[in-house]
Amino acid sequence: SQQGEEDPQALSIQEGENATMNCSYKTSINNLQWYRQNSGRGLVHLILIRSNEREKHSGRLRVTLDTSKKSSSLLITASRAADTASYFCATDASNNDMRFGAGTRLTVKP
Amino acid sequence: ETGVTQTPRHLVMGMTNKKSLKCEQHLGHNAMYWYKQSAKKPLELMFVYSLEERVENNSVPSRFSPECPNSSHLFLHLHTLQPEDSALYLCASSTRPGLASSYEQYFGPGTRLTVT
Repeated sequence: SQQGEEDPQALSIQEGENATMNCSYKTSINNLQWYRQNSGRGLVHLILIRSNEREKHSGRLRVTLDTSKKSSSLLITASRAADTASYFCATDASNNDMRFGAGTRLTVKP
Repeated sequence: ETGVTQTPRHLVMGMTNKKSLKCEQHLGHNAMYWYKQSAKKPLELMFVYSLEERVENNSVPSRFSPECPNSSHLFLHLHTLQPEDSALYLCASSTRPGLASSYEQYFGPGTRLTVT
């Protein structure tokens, strides 16, 4: 069953702008992860944030987690055309297997 | 390259055919997964194997039959599929998490399956 839900479903921005994607979930979690998927390819892990962390950075990526609101956000700064992809959040279910949302489709126009 | 390979990359099969998807990981992981990805739907977890034993089957129809002969290989045997089974089938691997540990999954490129 689906756990995370991303918002918006699709996002289109110009190169150089920041992109923000949100993820909401329903039950308590141990950690939340963000993945990226280029069209028709496998998913690539971007970043993991644990339930006791509030913010994490990796290069141009910034992830926040608000466990009181059961939500997370992924910020991509200074976006590039190569960032065009689908982005998924994944939360661990009670048995530690992950559940993915339907994803946000990001298009970065050059 | 993520260290997880899948073959074939594309497969077209009729509803009466029998075919198999193969996944191989070179990462020394002890857990492997099959996912189904349909257009505009969340990834659906189909099967989980940990230490070569199936630990989860999310009510997948019996026309999908997994096999995990060792920790590096995972198969998905297909027979009498339906057109709605057309999707991207993704394999992933990871270390198996403990109660307090976290893990990331490494995905293969997927097999694009079309059932005619």
